[in-house]
Amino acid sequence: GAGVSQSPSNKVTEKGKDVELRCDPISGHTALYWYRQSLGQGLEFLIYFQGNSAPDKSGLPSDRFSAERTGGSVSTLTIQRTQQEDSAVYLCASSMGLAGGAGNEQFFGPGTRLTVL
Amino acid sequence: AQSVAQPEDQVNVAEGNPLTVKCTYSVSGNPYLFWYVQYPNRGLQFLLKYITGDNLVKGSYGFEAEFNKSQTSFHLKKPSALVSDSALYFCAVRPRGGYNKLIFGAGTRLAVHP
Repeated sequence: GAGVSQSPSNKVTEKGKDVELRCDPISGHTALYWYRQSLGQGLEFLIYFQGNSAPDKSGLPSDRFSAERTGGSVSTLTIQRTQQEDSAVYLCASSMGLAGGAGNEQFFGPGTRLTVL
Repeated sequence: AQSVAQPEDQVNVAEGNPLTVKCTYSVSGNPYLFWYVQYPNRGLQFLLKYITGDNLVKGSYGFEAEFNKSQTSFHLKKPSALVSDSALYFCAVRPRGGYNKLIFGAGTRLAVHP
């Protein structure tokens, strides 16, 4: 596709429910990132995938959060037993970057706005 | 700890006047530096980046940024602001050497008044 796409664009769920957020990166991009943008705050790194390497999960805030990237393309971020503090915009990005590559910019999707009631 | 600071929550400027959005960073080594812009209800859009070379980097929509190594700053500038430049601006850094996640500042809201 022309850009990074994410679905759904909005998700409202009840506390305690599980949610899945989807990201389709730009075709050919080997790197994929998930970030979280909370109201009035900057972007918080969650997880990074690069090719077939083990993902960098260092930003995941708790074990309720997990992500997969199937076939080196589409990624799903799963939040189990959602809490109200999980409410945020979840942004996905992709880039051409290889580890240590020269400053490849990340291209962001429009985000999924998650509201936990 | 590695961090990016955008000291101004909001910058107000009159249309036609020059604008500056400030960014300083605390990251070891010589990181890559980026500016992104976020318009309402839209994702982040890449504006410009500094890799190496000339300290003045030119980017999209007439924006430029000046890298200052001694001050560890990367301020975003535009000679003449437009009302349509009103948006949320994020500075980000990526340390070199296989560390690929971006470290973002908290963002600065730019308001350009007619």
